[in-house]
Amino acid sequence: DIQMTQSPSSLSASVGDRVTITCQASQDIKYYLNWYQQKPGKAPKLLIYDASNLETGVPSRFSGSGSGTHFSFTITSLQPEDIATYYCQQYDVLPLVFGGGTKLEIK
Amino acid sequence: QVQLQESGPGLVKPSETLSLTCTISGGSIASSTYYWSWIRQPPGKAPEWIGYLYHSGSTNYNPSLKSRVTISVGTSTNQFSLRLASVTAADTAVYYCVRDTVIGVFDSWGPGFPVTVSS
Repeated sequence: DIQMTQSPSSLSASVGDRVTITCQASQDIKYYLNWYQQKPGKAPKLLIYDASNLETGVPSRFSGSGSGTHFSFTITSLQPEDIATYYCQQYDVLPLVFGGGTKLEIK
Repeated sequence: QVQLQESGPGLVKPSETLSLTCTISGGSIASSTYYWSWIRQPPGKAPEWIGYLYHSGSTNYNPSLKSRVTISVGTSTNQFSLRLASVTAADTAVYYCVRDTVIGVFDSWGPGFPVTVSS
């Protein structure tokens, strides 16, 4: 199975900060990577697909980049409602695998 | 706008079979555009993909669960189901049914259904 390693596992930032999370795949997954946001007690929500495409209705402060084995997810200006856990997920090969998650908190 | 809803027993005894149903509204399981997946999330852990069903009836499962899992079209219209046999405490999780636009892009999720395995 492909392994997806996210870092950091937790992050504390202030409102208005630029926040970046990274995700590394154990092998080349081209651009087949998604990013999800999960708030407590809720289902994950798709934010970014194909590494850099913003899902319809998702605010433009969210963005993704990368290809191959190294990917990043950025929030350009952190808002209070962005407090959540973020997961990357590869879909180049089966089985589909999620990263371990990054818990984002407000400082 | 599609909506998905999981249902079933919330408590299952060890060694028994977990059975859940997903009801789809605002969409059709017969659509050739989508796949229909089950994903679970143990407490405090990352989501884990269990498997998917395509409208043709074809399925694909996570090898880690393949020997115990069956995903199939439900007995009622616009439903699909999950069966997981021989459960243990490690199968305690929130189970989600999910629409898949391409194999692996999960764009619509049910609210999740907590299942506890305990005697």
